[in-house]
Amino acid sequence: QVQLVESGGGLVKPGGSLRLSCAASGFTFSDYYMSWIRQAPGKGLEWVSYVGSRGTTVYYADSVKGRFTISRDNAMNSLYLQMSSLRAEDTAVYYCARHSSSYFDFWGQGALVTVSP
Amino acid sequence: DIQMTQSPSSLSASVGDRVTITCRASQSTSHYLNWYQQKSGKAPKLLIYAASTLQSGVPSRFSGSGSGTDFTLTISSLQPEDFATYYCQQSSSNPYTFGQGTKLEIK
Repeated sequence: QVQLVESGGGLVKPGGSLRLSCAASGFTFSDYYMSWIRQAPGKGLEWVSYVGSRGTTVYYADSVKGRFTISRDNAMNSLYLQMSSLRAEDTAVYYCARHSSSYFDFWGQGALVTVSP
Repeated sequence: DIQMTQSPSSLSASVGDRVTITCRASQSTSHYLNWYQQKSGKAPKLLIYAASTLQSGVPSRFSGSGSGTDFTLTISSLQPEDFATYYCQQSSSNPYTFGQGTKLEIK
């Protein structure tokens, strides 16, 4: 069955960096676009970034452009989000999600990122 | 960016009730509209895609309709496990955007 497992969350100071990972299993990872979506505490969902199946197509929300980098390793069935220049407003649960056509059909359990002094 | 507005933001209903949630887009999204259910502390779950197609395994009491800018999610007869927050999401154009959510609570 499809599984997405995020890791790498934690507490980081403003201006710091963190790298999230998402390990995928149960499907042919290299066939699918993948996204990161976040949810600030008590708030709604915000799409952050996606990467195409080969890793050459990427897109970012304006709120993270220039600070976050999405990437993938198809040989390792893994998705990554390198986050730098972190701000308090980046505090959120970060989900990785699989694209199927134009919707997100599977989501991971989420990784909490807290940006605080 | 396409703005998605859901109404109501919260709703109280009873088991067995018929419930409708509305999602309006700031510009046409054609049929590129998806609905998700999120229970407290859990990841969202896809319910409906392409405005009206039920995701595999989702009970048939859930249905979706609409096109262009106006969409609805209907639950025909509420069950105890349906009390959750529901989000619409457009995938017509980048950036993908979500509605603010509708919290469905037990009356």
